[in-house]
Amino acid sequence: DGGITQSPKYLFRKEGQNVTLSCEQNLNHDAMYWYRQDPGQGLRLIYYSQIVNDFQKGDIAEGYSVSREKKESFPLTVTSAQKNPTAFYLCATGQPYEQYFGPGTRLTVT
Amino acid sequence: RKEVEQDPGPFNVPEGATVAFNCTYSNSASQSFFWYRQDCRKEPKLLMSVYSSGNEDGRFTAQLNRASQYISLLIRDSKLSDSATYLCVVNIAGDMRFGAGTRLTVKP
Repeated sequence: DGGITQSPKYLFRKEGQNVTLSCEQNLNHDAMYWYRQDPGQGLRLIYYSQIVNDFQKGDIAEGYSVSREKKESFPLTVTSAQKNPTAFYLCATGQPYEQYFGPGTRLTVT
Repeated sequence: RKEVEQDPGPFNVPEGATVAFNCTYSNSASQSFFWYRQDCRKEPKLLMSVYSSGNEDGRFTAQLNRASQYISLLIRDSKLSDSATYLCVVNIAGDMRFGAGTRLTVKP
């Protein structure tokens, strides 16, 4: 089955802890993206990567970090520096003109 | 001003009704336009692209008005399964900009 997987679906963490969200794709797409969705707001771009070993900051990169060591994988780390980490995190792949999203990870930090 | 603005709704309509959503965008350099559908607590999925000449896909019709900088989505003969949030998406120089979405509930 071709697609994008994200794990876990739900994640709970205590404030002050770093947490890494997984995103894997087997669509052989070069570009991968991380978005954050909050109630009443559009998706906001955190980081994106057009090619292995290269990535760029999006609009709200502060408090987040990524790596792109393999074409298939683009993990996102939410660090303790992120002031409001509780949100729905969506990974996507594809071209800028059409993006395919993973099922998302709902992160709750208390 | 937000780059992409939508009426958040909710729109509550009976089955069989026709409903229309509008979306305005602020950047005249916007290159391409889309409607995505997002079910509750799920990921967005592409519903349809929006072309300058307008396009139709079954019960769904999308229109673009570049002069006024808005796009629209018309749903005819609404079904219960159309209940979802509809996201307006604008591509500006390769960056996808998402509206906050319009929530639709179709009732029996």
